[in-house]
Amino acid sequence: KQEVTQIPAALSVPEGENLVLNCSFTDSAIYNLQWFRQDPGKGLTSLLLIQSSQREQTSGRLNASLDKSSGRSTLYIAASQPGDSATYLCAPLTQGGSEKLVFGKGTKLTVNP
Amino acid sequence: DGGITQSPKYLFRKEGQNVTLSCEQNLNHDAMYWYRQDPGQGLRLIYYSQIVNDFQKGDIAEGYSVSREKKESFPLTVTSAQKNPTAFYLCASSMQGANTEAFFGQGTRLTVV
Repeated sequence: KQEVTQIPAALSVPEGENLVLNCSFTDSAIYNLQWFRQDPGKGLTSLLLIQSSQREQTSGRLNASLDKSSGRSTLYIAASQPGDSATYLCAPLTQGGSEKLVFGKGTKLTVNP
Repeated sequence: DGGITQSPKYLFRKEGQNVTLSCEQNLNHDAMYWYRQDPGQGLRLIYYSQIVNDFQKGDIAEGYSVSREKKESFPLTVTSAQKNPTAFYLCASSMQGANTEAFFGQGTRLTVV
């Protein structure tokens, strides 16, 4: 059974800092991995989708990397802003007949002005 | 606008009542999912459906039921058998297949009164 761990659980940084969020998963047989953002009381917004054959995917100030064989992904946020404050979740799409996303508990990010 | 619509945003249920949460999508997606989110526990999969008239139990299906009579719609019924239904419920959809992105609705917050 796929298990996803996100470290750290919470992170507080000053504005302008570059930061890295970590995601690890136990079953490396995945199709892809998605990073989401969730604001309080809201649904999830997709940030990046990285395919299993890719090593990196970039969107603006965000860069996601994937090392499938070691079961790790990182989300790099450059030049953080207060508007980046949210909970960030990763979810691999696991192979094996039933395609479904399994989520970590997320990293709660606070960017202080 | 294309997207996923969940309604209502807030729902109150008396103990012993069944309630139905609505999820509609106009993205022409094949697969739809229901997740439950509790504080500190991340998202847990309740039910999912990959095609019309077919659905599978997720990790916490007890006390819930679903139907998939139309491609666009995947309603979730929280029955009186669900002992602790107060939570934030999220619906998602994606195309069938391995290299697709999942999109989420804005959620329904259910409270037992």
